[in-house]
Amino acid sequence: AQSVTQLDSQVPVFEEAPVELRCNYSSSVSVYLFWYVQYPNQGLQLLLKYLSGSTLVESINGFEAEFNKSQTSFHLRKPSVHISDTAEYFCAVRTAGNMLTFGGGTRLMVKP
Amino acid sequence: DTAVSQTPKYLVTQMGNDKSIKCEQNLGHDTMYWYKQDSKKFLKIMFSYNNKELIINETVPNRFSPKSPDKAHLNLHINSLELGDSAVYFCASSQDLANYGYTFGSGTRLTVV
Repeated sequence: AQSVTQLDSQVPVFEEAPVELRCNYSSSVSVYLFWYVQYPNQGLQLLLKYLSGSTLVESINGFEAEFNKSQTSFHLRKPSVHISDTAEYFCAVRTAGNMLTFGGGTRLMVKP
Repeated sequence: DTAVSQTPKYLVTQMGNDKSIKCEQNLGHDTMYWYKQDSKKFLKIMFSYNNKELIINETVPNRFSPKSPDKAHLNLHINSLELGDSAVYFCASSQDLANYGYTFGSGTRLTVV
C-alpha cells in the first residue's frame, strides 16, 4: 500500500528565513511524488513533481524538493520564504489505480 | 476560463436531506476524482472515474454516489446527510497523471446542521 507522512503539522518561520517541510512515503509501484500548495479557501495547486531522472526538482517560485530513495523522503525546501508563501502544503504519492494519496498537510506560517 | 468548476461553493443543509454537488472540467481530461477534506485538512480519495472504470474507496459510505452524464462532468450525490459529512469536497481531473498531476476545483464547503 502507498502512504505519505508529513512529519510536521505546522511550521512557523520568519520572513526571509529558510524552511524545510518534511515528507516520507511508502510505495509499491513506480514512485511519482508531488507537492501541492493550498492557499486559504482555494483548491490545491501543483507546486512540483518527481517522476524520474534528476533527484532535485524545482518550482518556478523558488521551492525545490529532493527525492531520496534510500530514506524514502521527498522534503520541500526554500532558502528564503516570503509572507505570501503562507499556505498549507501537501505531499502526495501515486498509488496503484493511478490516483494520488496525500499526506496530512503542513501549515507553513511565515511571520514578518 | 475556469478549468475545473464546482457548484455550489457553499452548501448548508439539515441532517437527513439529499444533496448534490456538481463538477465540470473543460480540459478534455479523461479521469475525474472526488476528494473529501476534513476539518484537520486531511484529504481522502472518494472516487476515481473515467469512461471505462469507476474506482470506489471502500471506506466511503454507500450514501455517496458519483454520477457522470458525460466525460466532462462528475457529480456527487449524497443521501441522508449526517453531521459527519460536513467537510470540503474537492473535484479534480487529470489526463496524464505522471506529467501533469491533478487539476483541482476550488472546493465545496458542505455544512450539515
